[in-house]
Amino acid sequence: NAGVMQNPRHLVRRRGQEARLRCSPMKGHSHVYWYRQLPEEGLKFMVYLQKENIIDESGMPKERFSAEFPKEGPSILRIQQVVRGDSAAYFCASAPGTRYNEQFFGPGTRLTVL
Amino acid sequence: QKEVEQNSGPLSVPEGAIASLNCTYSDRGSQSFFWYRQYSGKSPELIMSIYSNGDKEDGRFTAQLNKASQYVSLLIRDSQPSDSATYLCAGMYSGGGADGLTFGKGTHLIIQP
Repeated sequence: NAGVMQNPRHLVRRRGQEARLRCSPMKGHSHVYWYRQLPEEGLKFMVYLQKENIIDESGMPKERFSAEFPKEGPSILRIQQVVRGDSAAYFCASAPGTRYNEQFFGPGTRLTVL
Repeated sequence: QKEVEQNSGPLSVPEGAIASLNCTYSDRGSQSFFWYRQYSGKSPELIMSIYSNGDKEDGRFTAQLNKASQYVSLLIRDSQPSDSATYLCAGMYSGGGADGLTFGKGTHLIIQP
């Protein structure tokens, strides 16, 4: 299965800990997007990356959140010093980088902050 | 400010009928539109994409785009109970495909057997 992979699928952290979410795009896809879905709310764009470059981080909170997509390995969304309000589903999507660039979503990581 | 608006529903449709889902958007610069289906607790699944004014058909699904009215719709023919889900409308600003998607909050569709 060459779909988008995310891990872990479920992550529990205590307030103040760090959360690391990983995303491997579909084979042949060079564009990675991260979205957050809060309970009872819609999907919100966070950041768009290509290999070794952050293209658009306009949806990222200014503090505690960072993302990378290194030359080798998966894309990582890092949340430092988590708070209860960070509890959400975090989805990664990948796209081929062609003109219409359809985005395909991974299964998501459900983050719970205790 | 890019916004995508959907009626949250629930929209209840009898099995076998046509389900009609609607979406409006505020940004005239939006170029491409997508419909995703999301089952409870699962990730969004791409159903249809549409870039030009008019209709686009794929199996039981038809997407319609009217850029003058800033309106997108999805028709589901011969609705099945398995179509019961939340349907998300999303817009992309850049015709070059270089943007994150702006999503509506979704319409909860219920197909009644």
